Amino acid sequence: DTGVSQDPRHKITKRGQNVTFRCDPISEHNRLYWYRQTLGQGPEFLTYFQNEAQLEKSRLLSDRFSAERPKGSFSTLEIQRTEQGDSAMYLCASRLTAQRSDRYMSDNEQFFGPGTRLTVL
Amino acid sequence: AQKITQTQPGMFVQEKEAVTLDCTYDTSDPSYGLFWYKQPSSGEMIFLIYQGSYDQQNATEGRYSLNFQKARKSANLVISASQLGDSAMYFCAPRGGTYKYIFGTGTRLKVLA
Repeated sequence: DTGVSQDPRHKITKRGQNVTFRCDPISEHNRLYWYRQTLGQGPEFLTYFQNEAQLEKSRLLSDRFSAERPKGSFSTLEIQRTEQGDSAMYLCASRLTAQRSDRYMSDNEQFFGPGTRLTVL
Repeated sequence: AQKITQTQPGMFVQEKEAVTLDCTYDTSDPSYGLFWYKQPSSGEMIFLIYQGSYDQQNATEGRYSLNFQKARKSANLVISASQLGDSAMYFCAPRGGTYKYIFGTGTRLKVLA
């Protein structure tokens, strides 16, 4: 399977613990995105990487959150001192940037992983 | 800033009938694309269809088509010949700056046998 993978798929933790999620994008994709989705809502953008550089962070990404993509391939998202409000589905997506016009779907589509569902007790 | 509005939190449709899911957007970006994704109960986001702002014709992809009205800033998804497997959440998302998605709150579609 050459799609986006995420690990773990489910994580249950106690409040105050640290958790780390991993995302493996499609191999040639240079952009990687993290989103968070709470119950009944659409996914919300957290951050994205162009290769190993983290180029944008949402205001949702508090100082307890940190994301890395050290070699421009897989990425990790760490949450320190988890709170119950961190309970959500964390989605990773990747895409390949291109030089062509934005008119073409293949330049724009993000491919999503299956997500990691976090439950903080 | 970009804003997406999906006014139908839930929709029902009879199997084999067509259904339209509404989406309006607000963007100041002159060059944008708009996506529809399906999210079944398993949680994965599945790409359905894309409309570029410069496209002259409405996008179609199998049973999915977009009713794109640029002046009204709406891009409604039409699903023809609904199937039970179409039951899911549906999200409309414009491509925001830096190509991140801005998702609406979604519409939950239930197809009835």
